[in-house]
Amino acid sequence: DQQVKQNSPSLSVQEGRISILNCDYTNSMFDYFLWYKKYPAEGPTFLISISSIKDKNEDGRFTVFLNKSAKHLSLHIVPSQPGDSAVYFCAASGNQFYFGTGTSLTVIP
Amino acid sequence: KAGVTQTPRYLIKTRGQQVTLSCSPISGHRSVSWYQQTPGQGLQFLFEYFSETQRNKGNFPGRFSGRQFSNSRSEMNVSTLELGDSALYLCASSLGRGAANTEAFFGQGTRLTVV
Repeated sequence: DQQVKQNSPSLSVQEGRISILNCDYTNSMFDYFLWYKKYPAEGPTFLISISSIKDKNEDGRFTVFLNKSAKHLSLHIVPSQPGDSAVYFCAASGNQFYFGTGTSLTVIP
Repeated sequence: KAGVTQTPRYLIKTRGQQVTLSCSPISGHRSVSWYQQTPGQGLQFLFEYFSETQRNKGNFPGRFSGRQFSNSRSEMNVSTLELGDSALYLCASSLGRGAANTEAFFGQGTRLTVV
């Protein structure tokens, strides 16, 4: 059973615009959420995280929003750059890390 | 500080063979998790080891097994390889249980091709 879901397998955005990647989870006990970025043939790299006691965490161009009542989190990238083109995974921390299936972001120059 | 090291990076095996993959976690990390990535399937959780004990296991057949050594290094073994086992196998290390709000750090992965 997929406890973390990313319902959009792909997303295309123009350079300079905002990219919004979405993630839903089912387990209300999750208390820490993470986003990873993955280039082909490489391992995922940690991007940004948020604790369940917060509803927003910002790091440069990247902001993660958490809506606990909706069991939803999103990653905003603004402005988007071509180098942001990659697969993005959201994850939730419970007794293990639960990953979504990923969203492939393409930023068009 | 060295990152997570996985060896080998690439591997080609024939059906029916077995394979062992290795993962050296970040120094001080006691938890090692293994994932399988195939196109369109995201990161499928295989198992997690902490202090040499398997703590969690995903929905994979018994052909997939692993172990962790006292220095936290981990190995994953796949026996009787099938064509469908071709994938990128990723290892992630973290501080582990009791360390709240920590990240998992991934290795570069081992690309296994079964022919």
